[in-house]
Amino acid sequence: KAGVTQTPRYLIKTRGQQVTLSCSPISGHRSVSWYQQTPGQGLQFLFEYFSETQRNKGNFPGRFSGRQFSNSRSEMNVSTLELGDSALYLCASSLDRGGSEAFFGQGTRLTVV
Amino acid sequence: ILNVEQSPQSLHVQEGDSTNFTCSFPSSNFYALHWYRWETAKSPEALFVMTLNGDEKKKGRISATLNTKEGYSYLYIKGSQPEDSATYLCASYYSNYQLIWGAGTKLIIKP
Repeated sequence: KAGVTQTPRYLIKTRGQQVTLSCSPISGHRSVSWYQQTPGQGLQFLFEYFSETQRNKGNFPGRFSGRQFSNSRSEMNVSTLELGDSALYLCASSLDRGGSEAFFGQGTRLTVV
Repeated sequence: ILNVEQSPQSLHVQEGDSTNFTCSFPSSNFYALHWYRWETAKSPEALFVMTLNGDEKKKGRISATLNTKEGYSYLYIKGSQPEDSATYLCASYYSNYQLIWGAGTKLIIKP
């Protein structure tokens, strides 16, 4: 069974640009959540999608957005990148919205220069 | 605003010693409590998911308990080994579909 796949693994972008990250969940998983991790910080919740609907959103500015497709794959978009957006972005999938364990991808390391 | 607290923030333990740490969470509308281990340069991996008051789960030398009435969970590691060094995260899930994460306990095993 394939795990959670995130692409790309590494990305370097310039301030002001936008970026799209992709997450393919484990087959059959309908919930996908996105997290940001910066040095010294824990997991900061961005948003959660279930069956193509955003059901929860963390405390991030509107520059951060996402969507989920009918095959449960999810994308996260960050517009007008700032230096502070440099982080590891993790996505996690689960069978349902919280009763079952989350499986994390390897993450996308975004560097904004 | 729901808040999940983990203590201590970090812990140094001698190899071979046993240790435990705490996750405190709001008990109103509680549904499930998750524990994850997060090793450096890897992604978090689930250890346990517990839902019922009094639940106890065990995986090898690691075990966890849950008290939903008072809103806490303990994670125990027996006979710590260097490979146990990691950050241990708990997350509490509520009936409104929110999964609230603690900041983690960083465990360092000293040989």
